[in-house]
Amino acid sequence: SQTIHQWPATLVQPVGSPLSLECTVEGTSNPNLYWYRQAAGRGLQLLFYSVGIGQISSEVPQNLSASRPQDRQFILSSKKLLLSDSGFYLCAWSELGGGYEQFFGPGTRLTVL
Amino acid sequence: AQTVTQSQPEMSVQEAETVTLSCTYDTSESDYYLFWYKQPPSRQMILVIRQEAYKQQNATENRFSVNFQKAAKSFSLKISDSQLGDAAMYFCALGNNDMRFGAGTRLTVKP
Repeated sequence: SQTIHQWPATLVQPVGSPLSLECTVEGTSNPNLYWYRQAAGRGLQLLFYSVGIGQISSEVPQNLSASRPQDRQFILSSKKLLLSDSGFYLCAWSELGGGYEQFFGPGTRLTVL
Repeated sequence: AQTVTQSQPEMSVQEAETVTLSCTYDTSESDYYLFWYKQPPSRQMILVIRQEAYKQQNATENRFSVNFQKAAKSFSLKISDSQLGDAAMYFCALGNNDMRFGAGTRLTVKP
């Protein structure tokens, strides 16, 4: 069966510090991968999605970036965090192609102080 | 641009009763998919139901069903025989390779 892992589960970082959140998927090949951010009490905002290694589509221009160094690994990064980067970050995967259910990881709660 | 609107920030329902959550959307695509996801307090996102836009028949999953009105771009979720475990945030989503989520509706179930 397929599983999706995210770490860390919680993170507290000072403003201006770097960020690296990691997401890995097991039990599938060539998945679509996604990064979302959810502000408190709000919906999900799509940040990045990837349909293959090295292929990243950015939805929101900001100080975050994403990389997909391996087929089932998706990394969200920042060189300098802002206060507004605080939130709940969710990674998700789906079968390659459109219209499939997305399976979500447990999420990372990021607090920038 | 694709947009999803959920106009009900909060809804409540009595246990065993029926409740309908509203969702409208906008897209220029002819081929797309619609979803309802549930997010309980654990914050784990769980798929409730999925609808393919080219299918006129409304999707159903046990106590959950949708009313898909393609011309009106409406996709409401009906929960029958509501249970305490149905209490959660419900998100409507539209997409294909990418996905757009609505702001969510918080459903409270009263015993």
